[in-house]
This record gives sequence, C-alpha cells and structure tokens, in this order.
Amino acid sequence: AQSVTQLDSQVPVFEEAPVELRCNYSSSVSVYLFWYVQYPNQGLQLLLKYLSGSTLVESINGFEAEFNKSQTSFHLRKPSVHISDTAEYFCAVSRKGSGNTGKLIFGQGTTLQVKP
Amino acid sequence: DAGVTQSPTHLIKTRGQQVTLRCSPKSGHDTVSWYQQALGQGPQFIFQYYEEEERQRGNFPDRFSGHQFPNYSSELNVNALLLGDSALYLCASSPGALAGDAGTGELFFGEGSRLTVL
Repeated sequence: AQSVTQLDSQVPVFEEAPVELRCNYSSSVSVYLFWYVQYPNQGLQLLLKYLSGSTLVESINGFEAEFNKSQTSFHLRKPSVHISDTAEYFCAVSRKGSGNTGKLIFGQGTTLQVKP
Repeated sequence: DAGVTQSPTHLIKTRGQQVTLRCSPKSGHDTVSWYQQALGQGPQFIFQYYEEEERQRGNFPDRFSGHQFPNYSSELNVNALLLGDSALYLCASSPGALAGDAGTGELFFGEGSRLTVL
C-alpha cells in the first residue's frame, strides 16, 4: 500500500518570496509522483509529474519538484510566488506499471496563502 | 475540446435518500474514476470504471455504486445517505488502453459535484 504525507497544512508567504511545500511518501513498490493544484471552487489540475528520467521536473508557471528516492520525498518549490498562486496543493502517488489504475493516493493538502 | 464535465454542480439531500451524480469524460478518454473529497481533506478513491466494468475499488461501503455507459460516461450512486457523505465528489478521466498510454496515473478532473446531506 502507498501513503502520502504533506508535512504542512498551511504555508503563509509574502508575494515574491520563495516557497517550499513538503511531501513524503511511503510505498513498497515503484511509484509515479504528482502535484495537483486546486483553486477555490474548482476541480484539481495537474501541476507537474515525475514518471522517470530526470529527478527534477518543472511546470510551465515556475514551479519545480525534485524526486528524492532515498528520502522518499517529492517537495514542491517556487523561487518567487505570486498572489495568483494562492490555492490548495496536493501531492499524490500512483503505483507504477499497473495498467489502467486511475487510483491516486493523495496527501491531505497544503494551503498556500500568498500575502501582498 | 471539452474537458471532464460533471452534473449537478450542487445538490442538497436528506439522510436516507439516494443520489445519482453524472460524469462525461474528456474526449478520447475511456477510463473514469470517482473520488470523494471531504472538507479540508485530500480526495479519496472510490472506484474506477473501464469497459463498463468496475476495475478497482477503494475502501467505501456497498452503498456506493456506479455504472459506465458505452459512450464512456459514468454515474455514481449513493444509497441511504448519511451526514458523513457530505463532500465534493470528483470525477476523473484518463486515456487508458485506447490511447496506448496506460499506467501513468495522470488524471483529468472535473469541477465536482458538491453534495450536502442534512
């Protein structure tokens, strides 16, 4: 079985400051890793994903995450946040190589609050 | 290209009633998964449908059932509603076997149906 722990429930930060949202996972098998973002009153949108290859993955809006297998972590970072980044962020894993799983295991979520 | 669409967006029911939620997957997707997101929590996997059959199921009671139609759309049914069933119900689709991209687990989510049980 897999599990995901997001270490911070809320992260307040000032605009243009850097931010890190922490995610640790537990799994006895290889996994794919994801970060999803949920804006108020909306569904989830994929922010970035790690499937294989380079352990550093980037999104189009400046976020990046690094897969660290030894520490079983997939922390999300952004060097300079904007007010529009205020949202709920979810880390998730799925079992690798299991076909049409559609079964993501999500963390509890981290609320990023960007203040002016 | 329409994304995942869900209906209704909001609904209110009373304890003991039954509810049906509907989902149309993104064009080209044949696999539909349902998630329950309680307030302040991450989404929890309910079940997944592929080729009109339930393929996987999470830790939810039999009161939760579903169906997938030949056009890949899906329904989630919940019987004998409890107060604790109040949540945002999310539908997610993925390309699956038809697109030759099975197994990555990347999902496309709808905006959800918010169910309130009084």
